[in-house]
Amino acid sequence: EAQVTQNPRYLITVTGKKLTVTCSQNMNHEYMSWYRQDPGLGLRQIYYSMNVEVTDKGDVPEGYKVSRKEKRNFPLILESPSPNQTSLYFCASSSLGTVALGRQYFGPGTRLTVT
Amino acid sequence: DQQVKQNSPSLSVQEGRISILNCDYTNSMFDYFLWYKKYPAEGPTFLISISSIKDKNEDGRFTVFLNKSAKHLSLHIVPSQPGDSAVYFCAASAGYGGSQGNLIFGKGTKLSVKP
Repeated sequence: EAQVTQNPRYLITVTGKKLTVTCSQNMNHEYMSWYRQDPGLGLRQIYYSMNVEVTDKGDVPEGYKVSRKEKRNFPLILESPSPNQTSLYFCASSSLGTVALGRQYFGPGTRLTVT
Repeated sequence: DQQVKQNSPSLSVQEGRISILNCDYTNSMFDYFLWYKKYPAEGPTFLISISSIKDKNEDGRFTVFLNKSAKHLSLHIVPSQPGDSAVYFCAASAGYGGSQGNLIFGKGTKLSVKP
């Protein structure tokens, strides 16, 4: 089954404790992206990657890191989480090309709470 | 500055009637527009898209209209069904003229279809 998986699905952590949210896709997609969803703010892009070893900042990259060492994986790293990073996070992937990039496949989400 | 605006946070419609969800954008570089649908506890799923060279695209019960001069697009659902109850996100990209990796989402409109 074609899918995007994220782990963990739920995470409660404390300020400053480094964490990684994993994202993996099995569709051989070149493009992968991270979004956060907050009440009243919709979906905002954090980082995206057009291919292995190629990453770019989205609209809200501060406080996050990403890496793309393999095509199928795109982990999101919070080196020193803060309470304002409490949010619902989505990973997405797609093929390249304008039409394909718009039709992204999203993972189920990771709910992160930073206390 | 919000580049994609969905000014109605919620919409309630009777089953069988038409649902019209609206979206406005400010960036004239946007040339590809999409609608995503999101159920609770799931990731968004692609619904329908339209390129700026068209003014209408239809897929079954769903039709998207684009008015470039007004920088406005709308999603029509006819007839509406209870299973259509979800949050709908409008999104836009500047695939040809700008960064192909940056997809900008609106804040979403929660549609409730009452039996």
